[in-house]
Amino acid sequence: GQQVMQIPQYQHVQEGEDFTTYCNSSTTLSNIQWYKQRPGGHPVFLIQLVKSGEVKKQKRLTFQFGEAKKNSSLHITATQTTDVGTYFCAANSGGSNYKLTFGKGTLLTVNP
Amino acid sequence: ETGVTQTPRHLVMGMTNKKSLKCEQHLGHNAMYWYKQSAKKPLELMFVYNFKEQTENNSVPSRFSPECPNSSHLFLHLHTLQPEDSALYLCASSLMSGSYNEQFFGPGTRLTVL
Repeated sequence: GQQVMQIPQYQHVQEGEDFTTYCNSSTTLSNIQWYKQRPGGHPVFLIQLVKSGEVKKQKRLTFQFGEAKKNSSLHITATQTTDVGTYFCAANSGGSNYKLTFGKGTLLTVNP
Repeated sequence: ETGVTQTPRHLVMGMTNKKSLKCEQHLGHNAMYWYKQSAKKPLELMFVYNFKEQTENNSVPSRFSPECPNSSHLFLHLHTLQPEDSALYLCASSLMSGSYNEQFFGPGTRLTVL
């Protein structure tokens, strides 16, 4: 079945440093979503990317969808302690647009 | 508060018990989902209901039995579970509209099977 590889699994940064997590699929995706899960919390939707090469920004967060629609990245500029949590990508390979395949997530910790 | 509630929030059960997890969404969505979240594993989709019809059963063992009486309520009936079924069970809902499918998650039920 559909698999989505996400790296790194863990990332520890000093507050103010940048952070990037990457998501890769062996198949072309219809769209990709990103979620954030705070420690002890539940996943919260951040964004959905649909178009090839799409780039979207939310304040310090930049999301990219690859030209081939097989990879995506989330970049956080100047991390803050409030950015702590696990960031998941979730891929939709088309057909059933309600079925998402989640990556394992990247756990981000920020040292103040 | 996402508009998706789950009860109970915590559950401890023995392997011979029968229990049910409940999910309710107040968002007017037409699709509901059960996910399992275990340590060191990706979120695993278990079941999908679209307009109350089950459209996906992701090879889930029969000891998990879903029920969707209407588009706002979703249950997961549990019986004769195994210790490896201990996990966080998350319910989610979405409004399927074209290619846009943002999913709203509930707080989850932390299940421990002894």
